[in-house]
Amino acid sequence: DAKTTQPNSMESNEEEPVHLPCNHSTISGTDYIHWYRQLPSQGPEYVIHGLTSNVNNRMASLAIAEDRKSSTLILHRATLRDAAVYYCILRDPGANSKLTFGKGITLSVRP
Amino acid sequence: DGGITQSPKYLFRKEGQNVTLSCEQNLNHDAMYWYRQDPGQGLRLIYYSQIVNDFQKGDIAEGYSVSREKKESFPLTVTSAQKNPTAFYLCASSPRVPPNIQYFGAGTRLSVL
Repeated sequence: DAKTTQPNSMESNEEEPVHLPCNHSTISGTDYIHWYRQLPSQGPEYVIHGLTSNVNNRMASLAIAEDRKSSTLILHRATLRDAAVYYCILRDPGANSKLTFGKGITLSVRP
Repeated sequence: DGGITQSPKYLFRKEGQNVTLSCEQNLNHDAMYWYRQDPGQGLRLIYYSQIVNDFQKGDIAEGYSVSREKKESFPLTVTSAQKNPTAFYLCASSPRVPPNIQYFGAGTRLSVL
């Protein structure tokens, strides 16, 4: 799988928007961009995915750069329950279906 | 409810003992995975299976074994050859078609006595 680069950590205030960046300069044309998050002592959960266009769902928005070499996960109003590790992963549909998880971004939310 | 069930939640292993972690899914997914997570680290792939009766080694398969006799079940055995088994073990499943979104269980925390 192509590699992604994320900051180690970020902080946010409750009820403010949060922008979590991810660089993936070696992305191929068929790689999907996946985001998962992991709350303490739980399994990861799927957040959102995209290919070329920006995407919105009930949890978050995904903004994808025009050249697809970077993306940003946007939480519109952070809550304390959003404090978690967020993983940005590239998924090549032409390969087998495994994912490669890095260390992710640890998001802290201040009350 | 549909989902992934891992059991037990906590498991203790004695020296020289094999232990088996259970993973069951009712999502009708073809693919299933086992990951290991050490404190402060990301997930590392142990084994994965894309179809019944077939599985492949991941990045850290040494000291582990799996079977896939049924679509809904993918048990992981931690053998005595795994010298540092203390970790958080996560099972996941996904469809085989893109984008292959993975769904995870709640995990099993394994410790050595």
